[in-house]
Amino acid sequence: GQNIDQPTEMTATEGAIVQINCTYQTSGFNGLFWYQQHAGEAPTFLSYNVLDGLEEKGRFSSFLSRSKGYSYLLLKELQMKDSASYLCAVRGSSQSWGKLQFGAGTQVVVTP
Amino acid sequence: DGGITQSPKYLFRKEGQNVTLSCEQNLNHDAMYWYRQDPGQGLRLIYYSQIVNDFQKGDIAEGYSVSREKKESFPLTVTSAQKNPTAFYLCASSLGSGTDSPLHFGNGTRLTVT
Repeated sequence: GQNIDQPTEMTATEGAIVQINCTYQTSGFNGLFWYQQHAGEAPTFLSYNVLDGLEEKGRFSSFLSRSKGYSYLLLKELQMKDSASYLCAVRGSSQSWGKLQFGAGTQVVVTP
Repeated sequence: DGGITQSPKYLFRKEGQNVTLSCEQNLNHDAMYWYRQDPGQGLRLIYYSQIVNDFQKGDIAEGYSVSREKKESFPLTVTSAQKNPTAFYLCASSLGSGTDSPLHFGNGTRLTVT
């Protein structure tokens, strides 16, 4: 079966750094996505990793290790607006490209 | 501005009634999807469609039906056979079958069935 695990909740203060880990076990691998979702709103795309290593996009970075089935999303210089749920999603084998498998999400709470 | 429109935002129905959720996109995307989101769970795929007049079951298709008669539209019907229909429903689209194509989501429809 397929399994994607991420912590349920993390709390950090404004200006700090938070790292959200995601581990996955899937049938095949064709990329990992991170999404941000504010309560009651649509998830918005943050990053995509398909090769090992770090992808940096402004205050957000995402890392992937395919051999370990592991990714993390790093949020730097936290702002209050970063309080949201962060979803890790994996695209499995190319036969099932449509089946993007999502984790349950990590709720990040940013405090003043 | 291009995007995905889901309507209505909130929907209330009595048990035993079928209900159809609307999803329209003007992004010229080939692929469209329906997900369901429940508290404490990840998004679960209900149905997806790669091209017009074709669609595939996702992981939890029972009790749901879809159609894809136009590229822009992918309505979802929640039938009375769906045992736990109360949930947040998200429609999404992507450019195509490329593995790096991210999903673009609509703002969701919150369905409550009593």
